[in-house]
Amino acid sequence: DAGITQSPRHKVTETGTPVTLRCHQTENHRYMYWYRQDPGHGLRLIHYSYGVKDTDKGEVSDGYSVSRSKTEDFLLTLESATSSQTSVYFCAISGVRDTYEQYFGPGTRLTVT
Amino acid sequence: EDQVTQSPEALRLQEGESSSLNCSYTVSGLRGLFWYRQDPGKGPEFLFTLYSAGEEKEKERLKATLTKKESFLHITAPKPEDSATYLCAVQARTSGSARQLTFGSGTQLTVLP
Repeated sequence: DAGITQSPRHKVTETGTPVTLRCHQTENHRYMYWYRQDPGHGLRLIHYSYGVKDTDKGEVSDGYSVSRSKTEDFLLTLESATSSQTSVYFCAISGVRDTYEQYFGPGTRLTVT
Repeated sequence: EDQVTQSPEALRLQEGESSSLNCSYTVSGLRGLFWYRQDPGKGPEFLFTLYSAGEEKEKERLKATLTKKESFLHITAPKPEDSATYLCAVQARTSGSARQLTFGSGTQLTVLP
């Protein structure tokens, strides 16, 4: 298994509160991604990073921000959580070899009440 | 816009009953097509990458094939442990530094003993 951990694995929070999800890798991969997975929508890209302090928006970035201060850590922040952000969030990594597949973490189930 | 459509949405097979899953795609220049397996409550697990039409990859009871418009995941003599959701994703040559994947909604496979 790729060395990817996510924390927390489960979280329940209230509308309007800030939430930070953490992704940690031990593979020294350059690229890191945050996805959300919802029934009927599949996996959708929120933000990605192509190096330390280099990040960019994905398909569904509104309401989310990210930071990457170290190669191994990629943080996803919901500044003010809303019920529409209830979802399962996956982190993925890519890029040590000249191949393009992504390897996924175990996911964080977030419920916003 | 890149699009991926998977069919059927759900498939129930008897143990030993071979079948195929379909992934149709439109992309502005294919860099790679990826197959993943996802078990309930877990992150997607990478299976195969296909890069060009005519390419085939095999792993145990699974064989993935690629044409210019679609990919098939053939499952030969499936076992109950093959039950999972199978996801297809494409990466366009124009994805640049993002190496962004566009996912289909998946096929939920159930293999009955």
